[in-house]
Amino acid sequence: EIVLTQSPGTLSLSPGERATLSCRASQSVSIRYLAWYQQKPGQAPRLLIYGASSRATGIPERFSGSGSGTDFTLTISRLEPEDFAVYYCQQYGNSPQTFGQGTKVEIK
Amino acid sequence: QITLKESGPTLVKPTQTLTLTCTVSGFSVSTSGVGVGWIRQPPGKALEWLALIYWDDDNRYSPSLESRLTITKDTSKNQVVLGMTNMDPVDTATYYCALRPSGYPGDCWANWGQGTLVTVSS
Repeated sequence: EIVLTQSPGTLSLSPGERATLSCRASQSVSIRYLAWYQQKPGQAPRLLIYGASSRATGIPERFSGSGSGTDFTLTISRLEPEDFAVYYCQQYGNSPQTFGQGTKVEIK
Repeated sequence: QITLKESGPTLVKPTQTLTLTCTVSGFSVSTSGVGVGWIRQPPGKALEWLALIYWDDDNRYSPSLESRLTITKDTSKNQVVLGMTNMDPVDTATYYCALRPSGYPGDCWANWGQGTLVTVSS
């Protein structure tokens, strides 16, 4: 199965700053089937990005995804207070689908 | 509005079988292209995909847990049921059901239930 490694484990930033999160796969992800989710404490995950770069319904433009093959990036252009959370990547192009271990974006 | 709601026991004993039900509202689980899956999350840990059933009853399981899992669909009730045998304390987790709508290519999860915490303890 594909192992997804997210980095950094924790990202300490201030509101208004740019956040860059990395997700690296142990082998190439088919058809760019890579998604990003946001999870806040006590809540279910929320789909942000699918197909590596497509925003899900209702997701603000400050969230963008890029990458292909084994290297993918989630960028939050300007952090809003509500963006401080844990972010997970998921690959679903190869069976079984797998999730990364998460990156926590915390207030500096 | 699409909603999913998990239901089932909050506490099970080791070796028992867990049965969880996901009730979907606002969307038919028999709509072509739809998939419903189960994902779990141990306290403080990452997400782990368990199983998935499609509109046509085709299903997929996590290889590491396949021997213990059963996923079925009741179209008349718009529900998906997950069974997991031989529960162990390491299976303590929040269990989520999630929906892959027909408009999304591939098995990403656009809609989630609130999750249900299942504790395995004697």
